[in-house]
Amino acid sequence: QVQLQESGPGLVKPSETLSLTCSVSGGSISTYYWSWIRQPPGKELEWIGYIYYIGSTNYNPSLRSRVTISVDTSKNQFSLKLRSVTAADTAVYYCTRGSLRNNYGPYFDYWGQGTLVTVSS
Amino acid sequence: EIVMTQSPATLSVSPGERATLSCRASQSIYDNLAWYQQKPGQAPRLLIYGASTRATGIPARFSGSGSGTEFTLTISSLQSEDFAVYYCQQYSTWYTFGQGTKLEIK
Repeated sequence: QVQLQESGPGLVKPSETLSLTCSVSGGSISTYYWSWIRQPPGKELEWIGYIYYIGSTNYNPSLRSRVTISVDTSKNQFSLKLRSVTAADTAVYYCTRGSLRNNYGPYFDYWGQGTLVTVSS
Repeated sequence: EIVMTQSPATLSVSPGERATLSCRASQSIYDNLAWYQQKPGQAPRLLIYGASTRATGIPARFSGSGSGTEFTLTISSLQSEDFAVYYCQQYSTWYTFGQGTKLEIK
């Protein structure tokens, strides 16, 4: 059974960089698309971006200028960096595994439990 | 951006009855639609992908239908554990979610 676990600071100051890591167990990070999705308190889900295991990335256009997602296949981990954060970036951040169907996707079939990141001074 | 609109925002149904949730896309997404269930304090769980294919381990009482711009999630006989928030998500062009339907006990 694939399991994902987010880790990183729960509090980040405005204008600084939010950094999170997702550790994948129960399966290899090779193959599949690995995404970050966030959910502000009481609001809907927002896709941030994904990385394919070979390192190619795709980001939400609304966040592209501030986001970097990277992968470390030797550690079975992938990471998120979101620069110049504001209070609007306060959210629960989920890491997910994504799969394709008929070359469309990914849809998200495994999720981490989520980690709340608050942006505040 | 493709906007996903779910209705109703809240649905009140009695246990054992059928629940029907709707999701509309602002343009055709073919059958590139997934449904997720989210309980308080938990991560979303994949229920349906490809508009109608149940994910691994999902009970047969959950079914999805539709294509193009109109989609439906049906829960045939509600169990206590089914009361939650349900989201649809399109993966045809980028990836966007609906605002959710809260399924509550009547």
